[in-house]
Amino acid sequence: EAGVAQSPRYKIIEKRQSVAFWCNPISGHATLYWYQQILGQGPKLLIQFQNNGVVDDSQLPKDRFSAERLKGVDSTLKIQPAKLEDSAVYLCASSLYPGNEQFFGPGTRLTVL
Amino acid sequence: GNSVTQMEGPVTLSEEAFLTINCTYTATGYPSLFWYVQYPGEGLQLLLKATKADDKGSNKGFEATYRKETTSFHLEKGSVQVSDSAVYFCALSDTGQGAQKLVFGQGTRLTINP
Repeated sequence: EAGVAQSPRYKIIEKRQSVAFWCNPISGHATLYWYQQILGQGPKLLIQFQNNGVVDDSQLPKDRFSAERLKGVDSTLKIQPAKLEDSAVYLCASSLYPGNEQFFGPGTRLTVL
Repeated sequence: GNSVTQMEGPVTLSEEAFLTINCTYTATGYPSLFWYVQYPGEGLQLLLKATKADDKGSNKGFEATYRKETTSFHLEKGSVQVSDSAVYFCALSDTGQGAQKLVFGQGTRLTINP
């Protein structure tokens, strides 16, 4: 069974530029999560989708971050404009349903210069 | 809000040593507790979990017991191997706002020397 796929694996941009990350969850998983992991810290949930609806986006900086999961399968997370403090690893995870085991992708490491 | 605190790292041990990584939590209600592991260059993987007080999770020689009275979920292994070198994260499930999200500790980097 294929795992959670993410791309790109690495991205370097300058501040004020925009960037987008893509995630393809495990087939059949209804719940999709985006986490931000700053160096030296544990992952922090940014947004949770159930199918194509948002369940929790309370920690998403909505002035610059946006995410969508239009067909309830893959998802895109966008940052516009990026700030230096957005440098982090962005992790995507999926689960069959909320409360079930979450499976994580390899992450996208973002560096903002 | 709910939170998880792990012992400061990094931790360096010799092969076959006994391992303990401390984890304490603050939570309302009765969360499930987890240990995740991140090997170099790989994504987070679930190592073990416990869903209620006094439950013991175990996997690959690692164990952790859900202690409600001390709000702890310490990770232990009797004899570590070089292949156990990784970053370990303690986490709890937070069911606030009808969602189910994981709240992580800051991680503990473990290095095992041969």
